[in-house]
Parts: sequence; structure tokens; C-alpha cells
Amino acid sequence: DSGVTQTPKHLITATGQRVTLRCSPRSGDLSVYWYQQSLDQGLQFLIQYYNGEERAKGNILERFSAQQFPDLHSELNLSSLELGDSALYFCASSPSGKQLSGNTIYFGEGSWLTVV
Amino acid sequence: EDKVVQSPLSLVVHEGDTVTLNCSYEVTNFRSLLWYKQEKKAPTFLFMLTSSGIEKKSGRLSSILDKKELFSILNITATQTGDSAIYLCAVEAKSMLTFGGGTRLMVKP
Repeated sequence: DSGVTQTPKHLITATGQRVTLRCSPRSGDLSVYWYQQSLDQGLQFLIQYYNGEERAKGNILERFSAQQFPDLHSELNLSSLELGDSALYFCASSPSGKQLSGNTIYFGEGSWLTVV
Repeated sequence: EDKVVQSPLSLVVHEGDTVTLNCSYEVTNFRSLLWYKQEKKAPTFLFMLTSSGIEKKSGRLSSILDKKELFSILNITATQTGDSAIYLCAVEAKSMLTFGGGTRLMVKP
């Protein structure tokens, strides 16, 4: 157990809908990262938040948005969903946002999104 | 744009075989290269490499980095069925991890 909690674990929704994925980081971690993993693909970095502020942005679509709340949990909002958005969405956390050291980033179990 | 490419995409071996997984990269401001094992869900950390030519070893797994040729290899000796997984390579640069597409390893009894 990495200490990173993601909900829901699975969800199925129709095209055009909107969903929210939630992530609670490890206790004491200030940074939250969101990744998307489509079938047979590696993890694509979406966005990073550090202590409530957006720190880095990757290949995140305009239909997607995220935020980090004062209690440090984060939500990833996916709207106008398309079939191609079906993927496993990972949240990860690390203690610092200033210097990412790969062996201190911890991944949650992921949220499986299926768009039908 | 930072790029990480892994090969092969997948391979099937028998227990006891030795496998070598490859990872090449093109990034700016390279900081480290990491290997992860992904079985069912969350990737789990294997190695972090920062210096060329220094082998990292953990049991039957070992890895080495070549910063001149911009690649890394992950070796698994005496493979077991429990080694079946997707192996991900990631490069750390500018406080971000860029992942390769992964190598899917299946070890048959």
C-alpha cells in the first residue's frame, strides 16, 4: 500500500458526460501528479500541483482540469468525454515539488475509466 | 519534446531465461532514469540511475545507464513467472517524469 488513495476504482460513463476523479496523497506529501495510461501505452503526464498551486503541465486536454484543495487532496475533472478518454488514470504524490526525486514518488492504484 | 522509447514492446520467455529490456531517451535537463514494474495496477519502483556505467542490482534484476549513448538496460536473470509484468522506463527532467511505452514481459512455466 503506497498510501495514495484514489476513488473511484472503476467507473463507466457515456460519451459527452463529465466525471471527477479524486486523489488523497500520502500523509505529508505536498505534490500531486496525474497520469493517464491508455491501453498498451506508457504513462502520460497530465499535470502537477504543489501545495495548492499548479506546478507543471503535460499533455492535458482542454476538456480536462484539475485542482488541489487546502487539505492537499486533488481532483481531476474530465468533461465532454470521448471514447478515446477510456484509460487508467493514476495519481501520484511526492514530498516536494521543487525537486522531484523518482524514488520518492508514490503511485495510487488508479481509477479505471471506461467511456461507452 | 522529451521522448522515451522502450523495446521490445513485448516478449515471451520461459522460466529460467535471461531477458534484457531497453530504454532510450532524448530529453533536456536530464536528472535521472527510473525503472518501474507494473503488475496489475500501480507501478512499483525498481531502480533509479543517475550516473553512467554504475550497475544497480537487486536480486536477479540489474540495470545500467549510458548517458553518452542515452540509453539504459534492465536485465532479469533466471526469470520466474512472478516477473511477468509491464516494465516501465521513465526519465526525470525539469521535475517531471516522462515515461516510455513499456515492455510487456510474459514468463511461461
